[in-house]
Amino acid sequence: DAGVIQSPRHEVTEMGQEVTLRCKPISGHNSLFWYRQTMMRGLELLIYFNNNVPIDDSGMPEDRFSAKMPNASFSTLKIQPSEPRDSAVYFCASSFETGGYGYTFGSGTRLTVV
Amino acid sequence: DAKTTQPTSMDCAEGRAANLPCNHSTISGNEYVYWYRQIHSQGPQYIIHGLKNNETNEMASLIITEDRKSSTLILPHATLRDTAVYYCIVRVERNTPLVFGKGTRLSVIA
Repeated sequence: DAGVIQSPRHEVTEMGQEVTLRCKPISGHNSLFWYRQTMMRGLELLIYFNNNVPIDDSGMPEDRFSAKMPNASFSTLKIQPSEPRDSAVYFCASSFETGGYGYTFGSGTRLTVV
Repeated sequence: DAKTTQPTSMDCAEGRAANLPCNHSTISGNEYVYWYRQIHSQGPQYIIHGLKNNETNEMASLIITEDRKSSTLILPHATLRDTAVYYCIVRVERNTPLVFGKGTRLSVIA
């Protein structure tokens, strides 16, 4: 298995533009998580899905952020419009269930909004 | 989930054992202790977890005190590649997702 695959690895965009981050979880995993990491705030959980259904999106900072999981093998995190303070590394992770054992993280997407 | 307290940073000589402490004095009976680490520019990586008993795997050992209020992650022979931020997380195993604190930055020195 190639692990959790995120794309793109790096994204530089201008303020106001729409940004879409993509994640392919490990086949067979039924939970998917989106995290954001900055120096100031560390690793923050944004949203997670169980069996493709969003369970808790209380970590999503604003309405500008949205996430979807149309099927078991794909998820997107969209920011529209993007702002400089959204600059961060965004990680996707998957696991067999919501429990902590067996989280596999992707390599992350480094987003820079200028 | 119970709160954890970890030192901000630690140093360890290469080849020596690295002992990373974690305080979780408010842990409840059904909460597990998990350890993850994050090597620079990579996503966090699962290391080990336990409830009451000490645990060991190919990466590390986890020692949990009898009262469960603290634990220690042991890397028996630290290498330069073990330089990373180590996160101690306490949570119920099946219920809520992982919430990361600030962790301990371990520097392994040659």
